[in-house]
Amino acid sequence: DQQVKQNSPSLSVQEGRISILNCDYTNSMFDYFLWYKKYPAEGPTFLISISSIKDKNEDGRFTVFLNKSAKHLSLHIVPSQPGDSAVYFCAASAGYNDMRFGAGTRLTVKP
Amino acid sequence: GAGVSQSPSNKVTEKGKDVELRCDPISGHTALYWYRQSLGQGLEFLIYFQGNSAPDKSGLPSDRFSAERTGGSVSTLTIQRTQQEDSAVYLCASSLARRQTYGYTFGSGTRLTVV
Repeated sequence: DQQVKQNSPSLSVQEGRISILNCDYTNSMFDYFLWYKKYPAEGPTFLISISSIKDKNEDGRFTVFLNKSAKHLSLHIVPSQPGDSAVYFCAASAGYNDMRFGAGTRLTVKP
Repeated sequence: GAGVSQSPSNKVTEKGKDVELRCDPISGHTALYWYRQSLGQGLEFLIYFQGNSAPDKSGLPSDRFSAERTGGSVSTLTIQRTQQEDSAVYLCASSLARRQTYGYTFGSGTRLTVV
């Protein structure tokens, strides 16, 4: 039962351009959403989060947008840098329950 | 320790053997989680420990999988009679109880290969 879906397995962008990673969810009880970044041979690391009471959260080059009516969130990276190349996981939780993760999107930023 | 520690980092085992994977969470983190990532797949929830409460085992794929957490700290994930489909990276994470503002802290994982 895939409650969190990342339909794009990969994305390639040019350095300096915007990267947009998308995520859809099915569970309307989810009230907290996070993005993780994962480099090879390392565990995922927390990147940015958003509560369901907000529709936008910004942290430097990273902005997460939440559209509750569409059950959709996105991560924008502007400007993209080669060091941003990694796998990005979307995650969601309902209350204090465990987090459910998407399948990940591999971002490649070309110099 | 400063982070979540998992051992071994790599494990190759023969089909049918039992394996034990270990996780040392961050000191003071009462919540501990096991996930696995199969090749080309996302993170699959396996089991969740919260303090002294009964664990949430709803993600364990079969009764060959079990986990325990001793003394509210170290956790071991045991896979009995391993099968080739058990090959994956097994990730452990911990967090402060009831505080997910900054998400979980993950270990580097154990790469299990069943041959």
